[in-house]
Amino acid sequence: ETGVTQTPRHLVMGMTNKKSLKCEQHLGHNAMYWYKQSAKKPLELMFVYNFKEQTENNSVPSRFSPECPNSSHLFLHLHTLQPEDSALYLCASSRTSGGHNTGELFFGEGSRLTVL
Amino acid sequence: GNSVTQMEGPVTLSEEAFLTINCTYTATGYPSLFWYVQYPGEGLQLLLKATKADDKGSNKGFEATYRKETTSFHLEKGSVQVSDSAVYFCALSDDAGGTSYGKLTFGQGTILTVHP
Repeated sequence: ETGVTQTPRHLVMGMTNKKSLKCEQHLGHNAMYWYKQSAKKPLELMFVYNFKEQTENNSVPSRFSPECPNSSHLFLHLHTLQPEDSALYLCASSRTSGGHNTGELFFGEGSRLTVL
Repeated sequence: GNSVTQMEGPVTLSEEAFLTINCTYTATGYPSLFWYVQYPGEGLQLLLKATKADDKGSNKGFEATYRKETTSFHLEKGSVQVSDSAVYFCALSDDAGGTSYGKLTFGQGTILTVHP
C-alpha cells in the first residue's frame, strides 16, 4: 500500500468510447503525475501537476485530457483512443518543499488499458 | 537531453547468485540517481537513491554507487532471493531546470527472474 490508489485497475474500451482513469493520493503530496508504461519501452512522462497547476505536457495527443481538481485527485479522460494507446497508465505523487524536491515518486498500481 | 540506458534483460539467476544490473546516464546538470523496483502486479517503488558523486545508496541488500567519471549507477546484490524477482528501473532527476517537483527520466527496465 503506497498511499496512491488508481481505478479502475483494468479497462477495455473501443476506439469511439469515452472513459476516465482516476487517481487519488492520501499522502499530503502536492505534485501528481501520469506516466505511460508500454512493453519494452522506458516509462513516458505524460503530465505533471504541481499545486493543481499543469506544469508539464510531454507532447501528449489531445485524445488524452488530464484534470486535477485538487492536490489529492488526478484524472485522465480518454476519448477516441487508438489500439497503440493500450498500455499500463501509472499515477504518481511526490512532495515538494521550499522549491526542492527529493525526486522520490510514490506510484499507484496502475490502470491496464486495452483499446480494441 | 537526459537519458538512461540499462542493460538488456531478461536476467535469470539462481537463488544466492550475485546480481549486477548496469545503468549509465547522460545528463546536462548534476542529477540525482535512483533505482526503482516493480513487483508483479504492483506500481513502482523506490529501492535506493544517491544524490551526489561517490554516494552509495543501499536498501534490502541492494547497493549502487554514483560514479560521475563513468556516468554509471550499477545495481548490485551479493545474494539474490526468489522474492527479488521483479522489474528494475534506473532513473535520474535533473534539477538543472530549477523545478520543484520530481521530473524523472527512466531507463527501459530490466526483468529479473530468480529461480530456487
